[in-house]
Amino acid sequence: KAGVTQTPRYLIKTRGQQVTLSCSPISGHRSVSWYQQTPGQGLQFLFEYFSETQRNKGNFPGRFSGRQFSNSRSEMNVSTLELGDSALYLCASSLGGRLVDEQFFGPGTRLTVL
Amino acid sequence: AQTVTQSQPEMSVQEAETVTLSCTYDTSESDYYLFWYKQPPSRQMILVIRQEAYKQQNATENRFSVNFQKAAKSFSLKISDSQLGDAAMYFCAYRSAHLSGGSQGNLIFGKGTKLSVKP
Repeated sequence: KAGVTQTPRYLIKTRGQQVTLSCSPISGHRSVSWYQQTPGQGLQFLFEYFSETQRNKGNFPGRFSGRQFSNSRSEMNVSTLELGDSALYLCASSLGGRLVDEQFFGPGTRLTVL
Repeated sequence: AQTVTQSQPEMSVQEAETVTLSCTYDTSESDYYLFWYKQPPSRQMILVIRQEAYKQQNATENRFSVNFQKAAKSFSLKISDSQLGDAAMYFCAYRSAHLSGGSQGNLIFGKGTKLSVKP
């Protein structure tokens, strides 16, 4: 079974631009969560989608948004990029039915904002 | 709000020896899950072990075991017979057992402990 995949793996953008990151979960998984990882703040939860609906949202500004498609693939979008948005963005998928379910992480997208 | 604290930014262990990574958490909930995740350099994060708070028995997965002290809100990870492949960042994480809980069902991570294994 293929693991969680994220595209692109690396991205360089300039301030003010917008970016879209993609995540393909493990087949059969209905939940996709997004996390931001930085050296200073560590791992912080962005949002979770389950069956195309946003189930939870972390404490990030409205510039961060996401969606999930009927095949469970998810995208997250960051508009008006700021230098502080430079981070590793991780996506994790799980079956979604139970909170004890293991979350399987993708390799991440490394975003650099110049 | 729930918080997770890992007080050891870095740890080092000799190959074949045993090492214990510390984790404490703060919560007012009684029903939750605790996890240890491993993130090798430039590789994907993987689940090492999980503990359900209502279970008194400490979880064990091969060379990995936890010491779960619910009253003390402590959740340490013991790695026995350390191997070179164990070198990684280790993250302790908390998750409410209910979507209506404090973490809203999402993982709350500690800042991590970087483990080095010496040959």
